[in-house]
Amino acid sequence: GQNIDQPTEMTATEGAIVQINCTYQTSGFNGLFWYQQHAGEAPTFLSYNVLDGLEEKGRFSSFLSRSKGYSYLLLKELQMKDSASYLCAVTDNYGQNFVFGPGTRLSVLP
Amino acid sequence: DGGITQSPKYLFRKEGQNVTLSCEQNLNHDAMYWYRQDPGQGLRLIYYSQIVNDFQKGDIAEGYSVSREKKESFPLTVTSAQKNPTAFYLCASSSPDTYEQYFGPGTRLTVT
Repeated sequence: GQNIDQPTEMTATEGAIVQINCTYQTSGFNGLFWYQQHAGEAPTFLSYNVLDGLEEKGRFSSFLSRSKGYSYLLLKELQMKDSASYLCAVTDNYGQNFVFGPGTRLSVLP
Repeated sequence: DGGITQSPKYLFRKEGQNVTLSCEQNLNHDAMYWYRQDPGQGLRLIYYSQIVNDFQKGDIAEGYSVSREKKESFPLTVTSAQKNPTAFYLCASSSPDTYEQYFGPGTRLTVT
């Protein structure tokens, strides 16, 4: 079976740091993606983790622990434009079939 | 510019009518996908195709059909058998090198 969990909503303050968690239980695993989606728009790629550890890309970092079925997305120095939904997605053994989590809606307040 | 195009952006249909949503990519990707997204929800996979003339059902394929006659094109038909077709439909393609999915701008379908 495939199951991916994320918190439904989070709120944080401009300039702060926020961590969005994702846990997964899937029948196969190749890698984990994080996407950002603004309301009414298509998702855009943020990060990809295939090995355990932390991947850093500017204000955004993503962590993966395959043994625990766990990932998080860390957003630093939050800006108002970071208000969006953040989607966690897992690919199967062949890297072709994507399973998306329900998404976490982040609101950044002034 | 390489990318994925979907048309139209907004589509309105009467209940009982079939409707086809287009998806074209010039990224030379083999794999293409169709997702449905309902308000406040994540993406659910309808169909995917890994190569021309081949496609597989996703989690919610009932009431939908697809074809993959060309590498660049992966149209989705929403049939009258789909009980609740009003949703935001997203097409994507992926590269076997990076596994990253690239999304089109989406089509918002409203059926009344």
